[in-house]
Amino acid sequence: EADIYQTPRYLVIGTGKKITLECSQTMGHDKMYWYQQDPGMELHLIHYSYGVNSTEKGDLSSESTVSRIRTEHFPLTLESARPSHTSQYLCASSPGLAINEQFFGPGTRLTVL
Amino acid sequence: QKEVEQDPGPLSVPEGAIVSLNCTYSNSAFQYFMWYRQYSRKGPELLMYTYSSGNKEDGRFTAQVDKSSKYISLFIRDSQPSDSATYLCAMQGGGGKLIFGQGTELSVKP
Repeated sequence: EADIYQTPRYLVIGTGKKITLECSQTMGHDKMYWYQQDPGMELHLIHYSYGVNSTEKGDLSSESTVSRIRTEHFPLTLESARPSHTSQYLCASSPGLAINEQFFGPGTRLTVL
Repeated sequence: QKEVEQDPGPLSVPEGAIVSLNCTYSNSAFQYFMWYRQYSRKGPELLMYTYSSGNKEDGRFTAQVDKSSKYISLFIRDSQPSDSATYLCAMQGGGGKLIFGQGTELSVKP
């Protein structure tokens, strides 16, 4: 079944740890995105990719980095987690048609102590 | 000023009520107007979209766009408890980037 997956779903970690949030999609989409979502706030785009070896920073400044070595995989890494990184992280992909319908994963809820 | 403003709610209505969810925007370059629905502990999913001004109906849902007023609405008729979710409006401009509203949390009580 074509879908988009995120792991872990929940992560509680201490300050200073390195973390990687995984995102994979089986829909063959070229475009992938990472958003940050906080309660009562709009989704903020932090990274996007239009294909393999292509990554760009989004509108919201983020200390995270991403890579796109395979079409289906778009991991996000935080080298040194801080409490200010506590948030919900949503991964999405889109087929790149005129209407940019994005398909979202279930999200990773990150808490940094 | 934010490009997209959405009443955050929360909104609580009885089953069967007509619900109106609204967003305003400031960028006249937006071309596609979308509504996403997000259930608790899930990612958003596209509910409906419209291109330019006008209405679009899909079952109990109607999306309305008024580009002259920079105002979009989503109407839900005969609301059901299963409609309880957060509804996010999103606008697409040049380059395909989506700008989201902050979401309206809706609760439909049986």
